[in-house]
Amino acid sequence: AQTVTQSQPEMSVQEAETVTLSCTYDTSESDYYLFWYKQPPSRQMILVIRQEAYKQQNATENRFSVNFQKAAKSFSLKISDSQLGDAAMYFCAYRSEDDKIIFGKGTRLHILP
Amino acid sequence: KAGVTQTPRYLIKTRGQQVTLSCSPISGHRSVSWYQQTPGQGLQFLFEYFSETQRNKGNFPGRFSGRQFSNSRSEMNVSTLELGDSALYLCASSLVQVFVTEAFFGQGTRLTVV
Repeated sequence: AQTVTQSQPEMSVQEAETVTLSCTYDTSESDYYLFWYKQPPSRQMILVIRQEAYKQQNATENRFSVNFQKAAKSFSLKISDSQLGDAAMYFCAYRSEDDKIIFGKGTRLHILP
Repeated sequence: KAGVTQTPRYLIKTRGQQVTLSCSPISGHRSVSWYQQTPGQGLQFLFEYFSETQRNKGNFPGRFSGRQFSNSRSEMNVSTLELGDSALYLCASSLVQVFVTEAFFGQGTRLTVV
């Protein structure tokens, strides 16, 4: 069965520093979609970044980038120049070819001023 | 354009009752999906509707059901409420399949079962 694991329940980073959130998944499929979503205190989930498994190039969105290692089934999120507004719960999500949608348990990120 | 709207925002129900939650997607989006978020289980996928048809379902009992109307608005129904159904229920809309195209989430309905 597919699973998504976020091994860090909580993390803290100093403002302006870089932090990496980890996500590993287990699947036997070759084609799937991976996402990082953030959920700030307002509870509204916001897309951070998206990766299609068939694309080898790592996705990047401004200060956010991923390290996608397909063979290792790893999809970590790097946040550069951390800002106070980045404080949130971050969820890694996976959608399989056969439409399974699975989330990790989340990582709560604290930004220290 | 307007975002995803979920109503009501907060709800308190008694065990054994039933509840209906509503979700209005972004205009033009044909896919609506529902999720349950609890501290213990985290975020779990409930179901996905596309053009009024349920195309995908998570691992929830039959007490959880939904439907989608011709204008893409969706409702989720939970019958015979249990204390464990207390959760934040999130709805998301997408142009086509959720998480194939970007999912836009509403702010959720906080359901408390007493």
